[in-house]
Amino acid sequence: DTGVSQDPRHKITKRGQNVTFRCDPISEHNRLYWYRQTLGQGPEFLTYFQNEAQLEKSRLLSDRFSAERPKGSFSTLEIQRTEQGDSAMYLCASEIGRYSTDTQYFGPGTRLTVL
Amino acid sequence: KNEVEQSPQNLTAQEGEFITINCSYSVGISALHWLQQHPGGGIVSLFMLSSGKKKHGRLIATINIQEKHSSLHITASHPRDSAVYICAASGGGADGLTFGKGTHLIIQP
Repeated sequence: DTGVSQDPRHKITKRGQNVTFRCDPISEHNRLYWYRQTLGQGPEFLTYFQNEAQLEKSRLLSDRFSAERPKGSFSTLEIQRTEQGDSAMYLCASEIGRYSTDTQYFGPGTRLTVL
Repeated sequence: KNEVEQSPQNLTAQEGEFITINCSYSVGISALHWLQQHPGGGIVSLFMLSSGKKKHGRLIATINIQEKHSSLHITASHPRDSAVYICAASGGGADGLTFGKGTHLIIQP
């Protein structure tokens, strides 16, 4: 257990439905990252937060995706009008953010299946 | 954009063998991370290094900044070392980590 939790662990949904995932980082960590991993591939960066500010979004993050981190604590990732191509493992990671490079601590992931 | 390449993609070895996994990247970075991922998705950070060599138990990670290359070694490999090992680069103009595709390691008893 790295101290980063994600909920739910698994989500099965029908195409066109909206889904929301939650990530709870390690409490004193300022930075929070979202990644997506498809089968047989390494994770890919989606977006990250420094405290409550969303500082960068990947081009992978279409308009159907939105992420928030209110009050700089937990974060949510919402996917609207899901498509089959959204099926993947969604990983959250946090780091202290005190230095330009820190160790990232990963959550267990949320596996999304879009039917 | 940084490209991170790993080799081999798959590796099967016998218990006790010395294992080497290689990683190369295309642009300058601030640090290179080695991660371990078990079935089910959980990722654990093994090493973060920006120069030289680090050792933790039977695991050793090295990096050559000039050659943009890093290696992960496992000595006296054991079946419990079976996992996917991923290298990832931080910096290099990207936010977040840029990951390799991973090396699927199987250690047979």
